[in-house]
Amino acid sequence: NAGVTQTPKFRVLKTGQSMTLLCAQDMNHEYMYWYRQDPGMGLRLIHYSVGEGTTAKGEVPDGYNVSRLKKQNFLLGLESAAPSQTSVYFCACLPHNSGAYEQYFGPGTRLTVT
Amino acid sequence: AQSVTQLDSQVPVFEEAPVELRCNYSSSVSVYLFWYVQYPNQGLQLLLKYLSGSTLVKGINGFEAEFNKSQTSFHLRKPSVHISDTAEYFCAVSESAGNQFYFGTGTSLTVIP
Repeated sequence: NAGVTQTPKFRVLKTGQSMTLLCAQDMNHEYMYWYRQDPGMGLRLIHYSVGEGTTAKGEVPDGYNVSRLKKQNFLLGLESAAPSQTSVYFCACLPHNSGAYEQYFGPGTRLTVT
Repeated sequence: AQSVTQLDSQVPVFEEAPVELRCNYSSSVSVYLFWYVQYPNQGLQLLLKYLSGSTLVKGINGFEAEFNKSQTSFHLRKPSVHISDTAEYFCAVSESAGNQFYFGTGTSLTVIP
């Protein structure tokens, strides 16, 4: 039982390059989230999903796209990376209607855009 | 959207001393409240949460927090800190009818030997 995993752990991109970050969970949770963490700004929600095939925008969605084709996976894409997207990205998942309301976080992906 | 304020960005405290980390949120609607801890180079893990019921909630590692609806606050406390408590602490809020979580900017707790 791996919980929440994120691939890759580190990545360096040049401005304009594209990439996809993968979040995978084996807890069968319905809700999944992508956050970015920047110094002095805490965690900000990029996009989230309340179920397979559904996505919604969070606080800072610009420059990112997401897909949830399978319940266990939530992909975050950067089509044309910019230095402002240098950040640590965290994925989280949450069981729906469990009453627990606890998010489970992955270990993070550190992305640098030069 | 909710706004979460953690007034102290850095809190140094001596080992075995008490500590309080402050958190205020903006909305008066029904909310769920959380404290998460992040150790260096790791993801976040839940310390404690308030969903309903008693306003004093106890969490892991000896931490507790008190929900104060009139002051829209959810301050985190520990009576005696250890070196191992050195970490970043985040307060988070979710509206009880919503799907999104709003995080504060974090408080870096440093325990001094």
